[in-house]
Amino acid sequence: QVQLVESGGGLVKPGGSLRLSCAASGFTVGDYFISWIRQAPGKGLEWISYIGLFGNTIYYANSVAGRFTISRDNDQNSVYLEMHSLRAEDTAVYYCARDAGYTYGNYYFDLWGRGTLVTVSS
Amino acid sequence: EVVMTQSPATLSVSPGERATLSCRASQSVNNRVAWYQQKPGQSPRLVIYGASTRATGVPARFSGSVSGTEFTLTISSLQSEDFAVYYCQQYSDWPPNTFGQGTKLEIK
Repeated sequence: QVQLVESGGGLVKPGGSLRLSCAASGFTVGDYFISWIRQAPGKGLEWISYIGLFGNTIYYANSVAGRFTISRDNDQNSVYLEMHSLRAEDTAVYYCARDAGYTYGNYYFDLWGRGTLVTVSS
Repeated sequence: EVVMTQSPATLSVSPGERATLSCRASQSVNNRVAWYQQKPGQSPRLVIYGASTRATGVPARFSGSVSGTEFTLTISSLQSEDFAVYYCQQYSDWPPNTFGQGTKLEIK
């Protein structure tokens, strides 16, 4: 079954850190660009980070630049999001999403995981 | 950064009727707009890309159109499963990819 499965979310205190994982199955993650997109409770979608095929092309939204780090391990068929200096406003469901282009970037998303909830609260 | 503005915030339509959702880009995005459907508790699902191309498996009652920087998603005859929140996204000028704030399509 072609799917993405996120994990690693949870409750963390302000200033804390968390590492999210995105495991792909049914396809080779190394053939696709992957993004992380988040959704605060009751709010809309916010793209936060993108990684190219080999991890050498990376972008971040201004809201997370300098605090979050995206990476990938194509051998493990996975993508990761390391989050540091977390703030209350980072509270959201975090989705990983597959770019619709095969081995190139289309920059819209044809496959989404179910998401993992990150709650930043004291 | 391109701002995508969706209207209305909430649209109430009866089953079987037509629904028209709008999304305006703050600048030209070369028809590089996608639409997503999100049902409660679910992740978004791609519906339209390239402003007017239906994604795989999307019923023909969904259509997209564009006039300048105004993008429209039309659902010709609403089915019960179509009631959801719909987001537009531009992928012309990025990063960042930017989404609209969403339109909630509810049963009238």
